[in-house]
Amino acid sequence: SQQGEEDPQALSIQEGENATMNCSYKTSINNLQWYRQNSGRGLVHLILIRSNEREKHSGRLRVTLDTSKKSSSLLITASRAADTASYFCATDAPGNQFYFGTGTSLTVIP
Amino acid sequence: KAGVTQTPRYLIKTRGQQVTLSCSPISGHRSVSWYQQTPGQGLQFLFEYFSETQRNKGNFPGRFSGRQFSNSRSEMNVSTLELGDSALYLCASSLEGFWDEQYFGPGTRLTVT
Repeated sequence: SQQGEEDPQALSIQEGENATMNCSYKTSINNLQWYRQNSGRGLVHLILIRSNEREKHSGRLRVTLDTSKKSSSLLITASRAADTASYFCATDAPGNQFYFGTGTSLTVIP
Repeated sequence: KAGVTQTPRYLIKTRGQQVTLSCSPISGHRSVSWYQQTPGQGLQFLFEYFSETQRNKGNFPGRFSGRQFSNSRSEMNVSTLELGDSALYLCASSLEGFWDEQYFGPGTRLTVT
């Protein structure tokens, strides 16, 4: 079963624009991670944010976490065609379970 | 540093057969996790091995099993294959566990006919 649900399911933007995708989850978590999957490079870890953190940056990526709302967002700034991929949030929850979200399919149009 | 490797990359099996998939983690990584990816159910956690012991398990039937060797290489076995087992099977390695940054292999595409 899916712990996380991502919104939107699909997103199409022009190169240079920002892309925002959201993840909502159901139970308390220890950490939340974001991964990217495309046909060329497979599934790749992007960023990890711990439950006691509210915001984290890595290059053009900005992740926020609101544990009171059980939600996280991933912002990609100045998008490039190479950012075209599916993006998944993933949570590790008490009870030692690991869940991926349903994913957001991002298309960046050159 | 070499990445995570999985063999075979593609496999076609018949219902009722069994299959073994192999995963070689990044050198120095002691945790290996396995995931199933299907269009209908998405990415689902199968189990995690750490230092040759199954440390965590997802919600899959007992037909799915695995093991880890002393060199951290891991195998996953599925017995009595069903059509619904057709999927991309991914393994991931990390230093400490799935709560840490995981490095994924390219996957094994299993088709059950």
